[in-house]
Amino acid sequence: DIQVTQSPSSLSASVGERVTITCRASQSISTYLNWYQHKPGKAPKLLIYAASNLQGGVPSRFSGSGSGTDFTLTISSLQPEDFAAYYCQPSYTTPYTFGQGTRLEIK
Amino acid sequence: QITLKESGPTLVKPTQTLTLTCTFSGFSLTTGGVAVGWIRQPPGKALEWLALIYWDDDQRYSPSLKTRLTITKDTSKNQVVLTMTNMDPVDTATYYCAHSPSGRFFDYWGQGSLVTVSS
Repeated sequence: DIQVTQSPSSLSASVGERVTITCRASQSISTYLNWYQHKPGKAPKLLIYAASNLQGGVPSRFSGSGSGTDFTLTISSLQPEDFAAYYCQPSYTTPYTFGQGTRLEIK
Repeated sequence: QITLKESGPTLVKPTQTLTLTCTFSGFSLTTGGVAVGWIRQPPGKALEWLALIYWDDDQRYSPSLKTRLTITKDTSKNQVVLTMTNMDPVDTATYYCAHSPSGRFFDYWGQGSLVTVSS
């Protein structure tokens, strides 16, 4: 099974800052990697699919990159509504997993 | 417009079987490539993928839960059902069903259903 290591597990940042979250897969997964945002009491929201494709309706300040084993999610300028948990999900093959999550908090 | 909604008991006793139903609209599970998955989140923990069923009835399961899970679909009712046997307090979680256009990522999610396992 493909495992992913997501880092950092938590992050404090200010509005307007640029932040990067990383996800490392246990083996090469090409670009089969997705990113989700999850706020308490709400359904997870797909942000990026296939490593770098922005889901419709997602602001352009979100971007994804990477291939093989190393991937990043970047938020170019944090907005108040971006403070949430973020998860990566490799999708090269089932069984799927999710990263351990990154909790993004207001500094 | 795609929507999904989970339904089922909010409280189950240890050793009982949980049955959750995902009722959806805005897509068909007979369309090639489409899938519906189940994902859960225990309180304070990360998301955990449970199972996936494809348009052609191909079923995939989490290896750690495979012996306890069954996922089925009823295309006439636009429903996907997940059963989990031998429930334990560690299975307390919010359970989500989600649509996948390709089986690889989940673009629409239900609101979630909190299930508590307690005697």
